[in-house]
Amino acid sequence: AQKITQTQPGMFVQEKEAVTLDCTYDTSDPSYGLFWYKQPSSGEMIFLIYQGSYDQQNATEGRYSLNFQKARKSANLVISASQLGDSAMYFCAMREPTGNQFYFGTGTSLTVIP
Amino acid sequence: GAVVSQHPSRVICKSGTSVKIECRSLDFQATTMFWYRQFPKQSLMLMATSNEGSKATYEQGVEKDKFLINHASLTLSTLTVTSAHPEDSSFYICSASRDTSNQPQHFGDGTRLSIL
Repeated sequence: AQKITQTQPGMFVQEKEAVTLDCTYDTSDPSYGLFWYKQPSSGEMIFLIYQGSYDQQNATEGRYSLNFQKARKSANLVISASQLGDSAMYFCAMREPTGNQFYFGTGTSLTVIP
Repeated sequence: GAVVSQHPSRVICKSGTSVKIECRSLDFQATTMFWYRQFPKQSLMLMATSNEGSKATYEQGVEKDKFLINHASLTLSTLTVTSAHPEDSSFYICSASRDTSNQPQHFGDGTRLSIL
């Protein structure tokens, strides 16, 4: 089974609107970390936001927030007030404490329309 | 500032050449570093886990003799693509993270390898 699933290959959003990028995960470990990365066309991977499995509140970092629904095993990224510079690939990832490996989703390509 | 430095950022070379890519952890000592390959419009594909002072752990299907990994110090891992051919052309990216589950992987800027 896939550890991380991103079901939206491509998304479009109007500038200044909010957009939600979906991510579901699969793990039997009670302790894990969830991460979102942004990859612009230049290729670098930019860490955006982190959510721990035991965190009681949804993580927020500026215009980024994480809609964490533990029972549903989902960790959707919400980008508010979209900007043209938000156009990029977005990857959801999970880290389990056993081993040191990260599991990445297939990514969502976000295009912000002026 | 950058936490992980990767060099070179771009390589164009002839078929048969061996290419070395360096990955340095600048802010912390990394006992483990990771090497990924990424094809256009696709996700990161883990190639191998680089372990300081011991042999790398390769993922299934990755040729150990083609992609040599050396992790000689706690801040440096190298990937050497030996006798590179056009099919090895790709984007290669390394990462390192501190050894706790709430720490993100920090990535280098990647290397675009083009074999003519």
